[in-house]
Amino acid sequence: QQQVKQSPQSLIVQKGGISIINCAYENTAFDYFPWYQQFPGKGPALLIAIRPDVSEKKEGRFTISFNKSAKQFSLHIMDSQPGDSATYFCAAGGYQKVTFGIGTKLQVIP
Amino acid sequence: SAVISQKPSRDICQRGTSLTIQCQVDSQVTMMFWYRQQPGQSLTLIATANQGSEATYESGFVIDKFPISRPNLTFSTLTVSNMSPEDSSIYLCSAGSGTAYEQYFGPGTRLTVT
Repeated sequence: QQQVKQSPQSLIVQKGGISIINCAYENTAFDYFPWYQQFPGKGPALLIAIRPDVSEKKEGRFTISFNKSAKQFSLHIMDSQPGDSATYFCAAGGYQKVTFGIGTKLQVIP
Repeated sequence: SAVISQKPSRDICQRGTSLTIQCQVDSQVTMMFWYRQQPGQSLTLIATANQGSEATYESGFVIDKFPISRPNLTFSTLTVSNMSPEDSSIYLCSAGSGTAYEQYFGPGTRLTVT
């Protein structure tokens, strides 16, 4: 049972472009939706997170858009840079645990 | 935030043996989590370890195979017992200050079973 569906699994974006990663969840009890960034050989690092009472959250070049009725949320990376090349995981859950999506490997090319 | 360290960073083990992975946090945390990540794959939660209580295991994971200790608020261990090649994976620990909302991950332990 895949509670959090993430797409695409890989993404190639030109430097300066917008990277968009989408996730969908099934459990309406989820109340926390974080995104994690993972570089090769490292553990995931919390990037940005949103609660279902807001539709958008922005931190620097990273924006989460949240659609509660559609049970979907997405990560937008504006002005993508080669240093953003990493694997991005969406997740959803509550205070006891979160479930991770399959991950999106982002490559930003110069 | 919290800084998490893991030991060992990697190991190659023989089939049938056991390996204990250590996870150290630089501050006191209530919740610690153990995940498994196949290379290039997602993170799968093995169990949640709260200090002073038995670990809570996810479906498909059992205590006999993955015993966990949580002796204090800054330390936890995960043992992978009676290993088989299917246990080859990256094992990650993470910590949450009181919930699973904000988790801080260690660098992982890359385990290869031959």
